[in-house]
Amino acid sequence: DAKTTQPPSMDCAEGRAANLPCNHSTISGNEYVYWYRQIHSQGPQYIIHGLKNNETNEMASLIITEDRKSSTLILPHATLRDTAVYYCIAGGATNKLIFGTGTLLAVQP
Amino acid sequence: DGGITQSPKYLFRKEGQNVTLSCEQNLNHDAMYWYRQDPGQGLRLIYYSQIVNDFQKGDIAEGYSVSREKKESFPLTVTSAQKNPTAFYLCASSPIGDRGTYEQYFGPGTRLTVT
Repeated sequence: DAKTTQPPSMDCAEGRAANLPCNHSTISGNEYVYWYRQIHSQGPQYIIHGLKNNETNEMASLIITEDRKSSTLILPHATLRDTAVYYCIAGGATNKLIFGTGTLLAVQP
Repeated sequence: DGGITQSPKYLFRKEGQNVTLSCEQNLNHDAMYWYRQDPGQGLRLIYYSQIVNDFQKGDIAEGYSVSREKKESFPLTVTSAQKNPTAFYLCASSPIGDRGTYEQYFGPGTRLTVT
């Protein structure tokens, strides 16, 4: 599975969009990009995933570059409850996910 | 109310004792997983199972054992051979199908402390 690189931390003002970047330059053609988040001392929560096309659901949007070497998770209107560690994972159909250390998003009031 | 349950939430054991962590799901998922998380770190895969009575080692299986006698249950035993057992243990499940990939659903975790 491809390795991903994320900034260790980011801040975002409440009500503004949070844009979380992820680099996955070694991703292979059949690997998906997944995003999960983990609120302190809880189990991770699935957010969204995609292969080539941009994706949107009720939680977030996922923008994947055309060369698939990077992606951005967008939380359109961040709230204090969105403060969490966000993991970007590139993985294949084996469903074996490799979690890095993620990005700690701190939403400020 | 569908989901994954792990019990207990906190567990304390003396060094040298085996301990079994429970994981149950009522989502009718075929695949189940066990991860370990150390402070400030990401999750590491211990074992996973895609079908009853079958399971595969993950990246850090040494010192752990699992069983999958029922689709709903995937208990993890932390044996005395595990050198650093104190950690946060997370169980997950996912469906399997012809779509190729499926999201994993996680339980609330068990925090194990061994002294």
